[in-house]
Amino acid sequence: EVQLVQSGAEVKKPGESLKISCKGSGYSFTSYWIGWVRQMPGKGLEWMGIIYPGDSDTRYSPSFQGQVTISADKSISTAYLQWSSLKASDTAMYYCARRVNYMDVWGKGTTVTVSS
Amino acid sequence: NFMLTQPHSVSESPGKTVTISCTRSSGSIASNYVQWYQQRPGSSPTTVIYEDNQRPSGVPDRFSGSIDSSSNSASLTISGLKTEDEADYYCQSYDSSNQGVFGTGTKVTVL
Repeated sequence: EVQLVQSGAEVKKPGESLKISCKGSGYSFTSYWIGWVRQMPGKGLEWMGIIYPGDSDTRYSPSFQGQVTISADKSISTAYLQWSSLKASDTAMYYCARRVNYMDVWGKGTTVTVSS
Repeated sequence: NFMLTQPHSVSESPGKTVTISCTRSSGSIASNYVQWYQQRPGSSPTTVIYEDNQRPSGVPDRFSGSIDSSSNSASLTISGLKTEDEADYYCQSYDSSNQGVFGTGTKVTVL
């Protein structure tokens, strides 16, 4: 079974750093793009960026370029989303999803709460 | 980059048909495939339509998708509406640099 398992909920303070993960299983992790999607409380889906774990080719949505870093470690079939300095406005649910010709498998999401 | 605009909400009775539009702001709707995702409260999104009009296995044929170049829009139609169809629906396409763009989302209420 193809699965994406995301790391657990995080509660952080403004200015702190954070790295959340998305571990793929049941398929060749290096052969498919992995995308990250933000959903702020009560709001819609926002495309953040995408990475190809095979060669770490990474593309960012203009809205998120410079705000986050997307990476992957193919040796452990895991993609990451990280922040160097969190803001309260980063409070959201973050989903990873595998892209075939569409986003066919989604993780359950990681809730990030940033509050002083 | 372009935007995808959807109606905020639609509502209909069980057994009826609803159609949700997704209008592309610039560039041709036909230039990149459109997907539709269903998101029930508290759950991750799931795909109901991909590549304009294809259904993943397991998605009932009550769900159908189409595009209309004259209005530069895509549509998701749900026929024989069921209470389990109550959810948020998002259209999604890609731009020329392989970046995804989501629509604004539509809340479907089954009366």
